[in-house]
Amino acid sequence: EDQVTQSPEALRLQEGESSSLNCSYTVSGLRGLFWYRQDPGKGPEFLFTLYSAGEEKEKERLKATLTKKESFLHITAPKPEDSATYLCAVEDNYGQNFVFGPGTRLSVLP
Amino acid sequence: KAGVTQTPRYLIKTRGQQVTLSCSPISGHRSVSWYQQTPGQGLQFLFEYFSETQRNKGNFPGRFSGRQFSNSRSEMNVSTLELGDSALYLCASSSLGTETQYFGPGTRLLVL
Repeated sequence: EDQVTQSPEALRLQEGESSSLNCSYTVSGLRGLFWYRQDPGKGPEFLFTLYSAGEEKEKERLKATLTKKESFLHITAPKPEDSATYLCAVEDNYGQNFVFGPGTRLSVLP
Repeated sequence: KAGVTQTPRYLIKTRGQQVTLSCSPISGHRSVSWYQQTPGQGLQFLFEYFSETQRNKGNFPGRFSGRQFSNSRSEMNVSTLELGDSALYLCASSSLGTETQYFGPGTRLLVL
């Protein structure tokens, strides 16, 4: 059974204080790993898709990396507007469905 | 390009009633998936429709059903509502050949 865990559950950072969020997964053949950002009361907003170990993708202050067992979302010099819940999801090679992790709730204080 | 739209945005029902939620995918997207999100369980997959056929189904009771129309719009129905069905119901669409799903704003259902 595909499983996704995320750590930490919650993270408080000062503005400008860089950090990383972790997504660990167990899947029978990874088809894709996805990062989303979700603001309260809204639907998840797509950030990145990673397909193979060693792959990296960047967007503004965010950088996602992938290994065979986990993915990291690095946040460089975060701003208060980066405060949100960050969700990780995997899809296996059978394409059955997405399995989401519980998310990391990030708060960036000014 | 317009994003995924969901109607209604908010809904209040009582136990035992039924409800129908609607989702319009991004133009050109033929796959529509539905998710239930609650504080305790997180995002859980309900089902996926592609070209009017249910392609995958999550582990939810038969009270949860859906369908997709020829224009790719999808509806989700929950019958005999229970208090535990209170949640944010999210719809996501994707295009053929890509796994990336784009989510709508959700429908917040409250069952009293």
